[in-house]
This record gives sequence, C-alpha cells and structure tokens, in this order.
Amino acid sequence: AQTVTQSQPEMSVQEAETVTLSCTYDTSESDYYLFWYKQPPSRQMILVIRQEAYKQQNATENRFSVNFQKAAKSFSLKISDSQLGDAAMYFCAYMRGGTSYGKLTFGQGTILTVHP
Amino acid sequence: NAGVTQTPKFQVLKTGQSMTLQCAQDMNHNSMYWYRQDPGMGLRLIYYSASEGTTDKGEVPNGYNVSRLNKREFSLRLESAAPSQTSVYFCASSWDRDQPQHFGDGTRLSIL
Repeated sequence: AQTVTQSQPEMSVQEAETVTLSCTYDTSESDYYLFWYKQPPSRQMILVIRQEAYKQQNATENRFSVNFQKAAKSFSLKISDSQLGDAAMYFCAYMRGGTSYGKLTFGQGTILTVHP
Repeated sequence: NAGVTQTPKFQVLKTGQSMTLQCAQDMNHNSMYWYRQDPGMGLRLIYYSASEGTTDKGEVPNGYNVSRLNKREFSLRLESAAPSQTSVYFCASSWDRDQPQHFGDGTRLSIL
C-alpha cells in the first residue's frame, strides 16, 4: 500500500520569508499524481498545487512551488514571500494512476505558523 | 458558487443510532468521495464513486454504506454509530478520477 509521510508536525516562518515543507512517499508505481492541500482554521480543504509523475518539470503556482525528486520519492513544497494568510495545516497527498484513479492517500499534515 | 455542500455541519449521536450525511455538488462532476479526518492521521478515504451508478470501497469502509443517488448527490450512512466513528467527515468531487478534488466544508460528528 502506498504511504505518505510528512516528517514535520509543525513549522514556522516569518512573514515575507521562505519556508519549505517536506513530504516523502512510498510507491512501486510509475503512473501517479502528487498534491499539496491547504486546510486553514475554517477547515476547508484547498488545492495548492498538483504534479504529474511523468512530468520532470516542477509545478509552480504563484508563490508556491514544488521540488519533485522522483528517484528519491520526495515532494517538498516551497512557499515564497510568506503571508499571514498562508497559516494553515498543509497536507501532501498521493494518487495512483490507472484503475485506481481518484483514491487520494494523505500524509499526517504539517501545521504552518506565520509570524508577523 | 456553492461547489460541494455538506449537511449537517455538526451532529451528536448516541452509540447505536443511525445517521446519513448528505453531500451535493453543483459542478457537474462525475466522481465523488467520502473521507474522514482524525487528529494526527490526515484524511482517509471511506468510499468513492467514480461515476453515477458505481461505488467502491476506500481505505476504511467498515461501518459505513454509501449511495450515489444521482450525479449530484452522494450520501454516507452510519447504520449503528460507534464512538470510534467520531471524526470530521469530508465529501469531495472531481470532474474525473484523475482531476483535482474539490472539498466540502466538512461535518463534525461526535458519537457518545
């Protein structure tokens, strides 16, 4: 079974600085997708960024970018120019391709605190 | 834009009671999902429906049943609630199975 591990239960960053959240995953598949979701105190789950495993180029979305290391099975999220609104729980998630499409496996989450 | 709507937002049950959590999406999505979120464990997939008329088990299906009533609605039923089912439940939908999932605001369910 696939597993997703987020080894940092909590992280903190100063406003306007950069922070990197770590994620590793375990799979024997070659066709899969990786995601980062943000969950603010409102409890809503918000998609931050998506990466297809077959793409070598790292995904970016405004201030959010990933470092996807397929051989190392690592998928870290970098948040640049951190803002107070970035404070939330961040979840890394894995989705196998093929017939198992749609089954997201989540990590345990990292709580990000942003200090003014 | 409503997106994914879950009802109720909060519920307290006694052990052994039954309950149906409702979920509806207005994005014409084909696939729908039910997750539970427990402290320190992230979200875990309970059941999913790849398309109207189909349902399949996820990671933690025991104690639950689902119904894909139509393309818009996907309900989750607890036939005999147990304290171990105390959790926050999320419904999600996606246009297709490999597309990003959009989540509802969750239902906080407590079972005494």
